[in-house]
Amino acid sequence: AQRVTQPEKLLSVFKGAPVELKCNYSYSGSPELFWYVQYSRQRLQLLLRHISRESIKGFTADLNKGETSFHLKKPFAQEEDSAMYYCALRPESGYSTLTFGKGTMLLVSP
Amino acid sequence: DGGITQSPKYLFRKEGQNVTLSCEQNLNHDAMYWYRQDPGQGLRLIYYSQIVNDFQKGDIAEGYSVSREKKESFPLTVTSAQKNPTAFYLCASSLLYNEQFFGPGTRLTVL
Repeated sequence: AQRVTQPEKLLSVFKGAPVELKCNYSYSGSPELFWYVQYSRQRLQLLLRHISRESIKGFTADLNKGETSFHLKKPFAQEEDSAMYYCALRPESGYSTLTFGKGTMLLVSP
Repeated sequence: DGGITQSPKYLFRKEGQNVTLSCEQNLNHDAMYWYRQDPGQGLRLIYYSQIVNDFQKGDIAEGYSVSREKKESFPLTVTSAQKNPTAFYLCASSLLYNEQFFGPGTRLTVL
């Protein structure tokens, strides 16, 4: 069975500092990886997916199959980035279900 | 934020009662999902459905039941058999194999 690990429950940084939210996974095939974000009092929403290779709100994430990681990065954190971030995995493109990590709370202080 | 609605926003249940959480979507999505969100646990899949009149158990289906009689509706019943039902419940929908869109959630509290 697949597993997604987010080792940090809480990450606290100052505004303007670089941010890296870690995500490691275990799965033997070729998964799809996602980052979802939940801002205070808002719905959980997709931030980015590895196949799109986009930069959303300044965040990027690269799938490293050798290290089985999909870390989320942003060079300069903003206060509005404070939120709960979830890494998620879909086993193969032919599946619809996602396996989520336990989440990391990012707090950006002024 | 429209498209997926969940009701009620807050729900209180007495011990031994069954309760049903509503989830409706007007996005014409084939698949719908129910997750449970607990602090420090992330999201855990309860049930999902990829087509009308069919559904599959997720990782934590015990004590829950669902139905999918209409494409736009996927209600979740939390039965008295669920030992620890107090949680935040999220419904989601998607086109098959695509991005999941989430509802606003229902917070269930057992009194």
